[in-house]
Formats: sequence, C-alpha cells, structure tokens
Amino acid sequence: RKEVEQDPGPFNVPEGATVAFNCTYSNSASQSFFWYRQDCRKEPKLLMSVYSSGNEDGRFTAQLNRASQYISLLIRDSKLSDSATYLCVVNIRDRGSTLGRLYFGRGTQLTVWP
Amino acid sequence: NAGVTQTPKFQVLKTGQSMTLQCAQDMNHNSMYWYRQDPGMGLRLIYYSASEGTTDKGEVPNGYNVSRLNKREFSLRLESAAPSQTSVYFCASSEKGSGNQPQHFGDGTRLSIL
Repeated sequence: RKEVEQDPGPFNVPEGATVAFNCTYSNSASQSFFWYRQDCRKEPKLLMSVYSSGNEDGRFTAQLNRASQYISLLIRDSKLSDSATYLCVVNIRDRGSTLGRLYFGRGTQLTVWP
Repeated sequence: NAGVTQTPKFQVLKTGQSMTLQCAQDMNHNSMYWYRQDPGMGLRLIYYSASEGTTDKGEVPNGYNVSRLNKREFSLRLESAAPSQTSVYFCASSEKGSGNQPQHFGDGTRLSIL
C-alpha cells in the first residue's frame, strides 16, 4: 500500500462548480498534512496546510479525518485558473528515524472549462 | 527574494556522461531535498539533507550522489547517466527536517539521457 493515495482523476468541471478531492494516508502517526498545486511543467507550490479542526482559505476548504486517515480539499466556485494537478502531502516518520519527511501523492488532475 | 534556484533548467546528456545539478536557497532553511518526477509516478525522493553536514538516502538513491556544500547549496550528481534517469528533477528546502513544515521548490531541471 502506498503511503499516500489519491484519485488521479481527471476531474472535468464547468466554471462555478464545486469539486472535492480526497486523499488517504497509511500512517496513523502522521502529524502534518498539506495540499500542493502543480501547474503543467511547473514546480509544486504550497496551496494550504491542513489543520485538525479543518481550515478555509477563500474558496478552498481543507479537512482532516484522523479516524479514517483521509484528508479532503473542497474548491467552491471553480475558476479557469484552478485547472492544475493537486497533490496531497503527508508527513511520515521513517521507521528507526527521529525525523519525519513528506510523502507526496501522485496528484489529482483538475480541468475547469468555460 | 529568489527562493530556491536550480541550474541548469534543461540538459541533454549521452549515456555514460556525468553531470551535477546545482541547487541554492536563500531562505536560511536547514533542510534540503532532491526529487525526481516521472509521468504517472509522482514525486520520489532521491536524497535529502536534514541539516548542513548531513545527507541521507531517500526512496530512489541508486545512481546518484549528493553534496551539501554549505547551508545554502545542495548538489545532485549523476556519475554515469542512464536513460532511466531521464526525468524532471526538483530541489526543495524547508526550515526544518522534521517533516512538519512545508517544502519550497525550485522550478526544476529537465534532464534527457540519450
């Protein structure tokens, strides 16, 4: 089982739609969670951190469900500029190490059409 | 503020040639990372350096070496390039190596091995 799993999509939605992505992770001890955005042929960029109580940043809402080990990203009122690949990122501590590191999901592709 | 700078942006090599990818960050971050990204595979960690003076293997270290030259710079070397190393390489940095903090990425090096 991969450490972080995402539905690869693609999700194709019209402008103004609401779309949600889910991501599951394998390590129940994971402490930190993030969503990144990656545009075609560009570097990944941090979209938002995910906090235990859930958090919102404008049209974007992230939620964490520790019991079921999944995180979600909700995008409301989709814009053309939201078209990108969204990466789910989870910190996992390697066995025998005091350090954790980030594991990246393979990404969910979103296309918003006019 | 440049963030994370990678050079070169593009490179074509012949099988067996060697080269070094350069990465520098100006955010005074302690930890630095090298990833490769292949279609359908997502980001895979090659090597990382939790702090100046330390380096550790990631998921796919074979065929690569790294040097943490100082706090700012972390280079990735291919001693004898192989076609399987054709990929997009990203360098990233974070304030600490605990995995609890987001990473900031350079804009990548597109490497082709013929």
